[in-house]
Amino acid sequence: DAGVIQSPRHEVTEMGQEVTLRCKPISGHDYLFWYRQTMMRGLELLIYFNNNVPIDDSGMPEDRFSAKMPNASFSTLKIQPSEPRDSAVYFCASSLPPPQYEQYFGPGTRLTVT
Amino acid sequence: GENVEQHPSTLSVQEGDSAVIKCTYSDSASNYFPWYKQELGKRPQLIIDIRSNVGEKKDQRIAVTLNKTAKHFSLHITETQPEDSAVYFCAASPDFGNEKLTFGTGTRLTIIP
Repeated sequence: DAGVIQSPRHEVTEMGQEVTLRCKPISGHDYLFWYRQTMMRGLELLIYFNNNVPIDDSGMPEDRFSAKMPNASFSTLKIQPSEPRDSAVYFCASSLPPPQYEQYFGPGTRLTVT
Repeated sequence: GENVEQHPSTLSVQEGDSAVIKCTYSDSASNYFPWYKQELGKRPQLIIDIRSNVGEKKDQRIAVTLNKTAKHFSLHITETQPEDSAVYFCAASPDFGNEKLTFGTGTRLTIIP
């Protein structure tokens, strides 16, 4: 398996633009997680899905952020409109259901909003 | 919600010496405690984990200990090597599964040759 796939790997955009990050989980994994990593705030869970259904979105910072998982092999995280403080590395991770607990992270998308 | 504190934030040790990283958590319902290693510019990767029914777990040079009464757990790396240099994150998760890991703030470990 190729592992978790994320695109794009790097994104530079101007403030106010819409940004869409994409993730393909490992085949057969029921759980999908979106994280944001910054120096100031560390690794934060934004939202996670189980069987394509959002379970907990309490980490989503504000209404400008939205996430979808239309099928078992694809998820998107959208920021609209983007702001400079959204600059971060966004990771997608997936895992099997318990008792398999390991979360496999994708390579991340480095987002820079100018 | 869960709060995980991690110390120290940075740690430098001589090659061959041991390194210890400590974490405390707040939610007594947490029962799963993984440790992730993140090399510079790379993704976090699981290196070891422990569940609440176990007090200690070892995998070659890495070991994790858990004290549920005190709500703390620690990562021990023995005979450190240059490739151990990375940022290490502890995390905690509730009893019913692997969802919603709460991560510590990370420890940047530097191994001095």
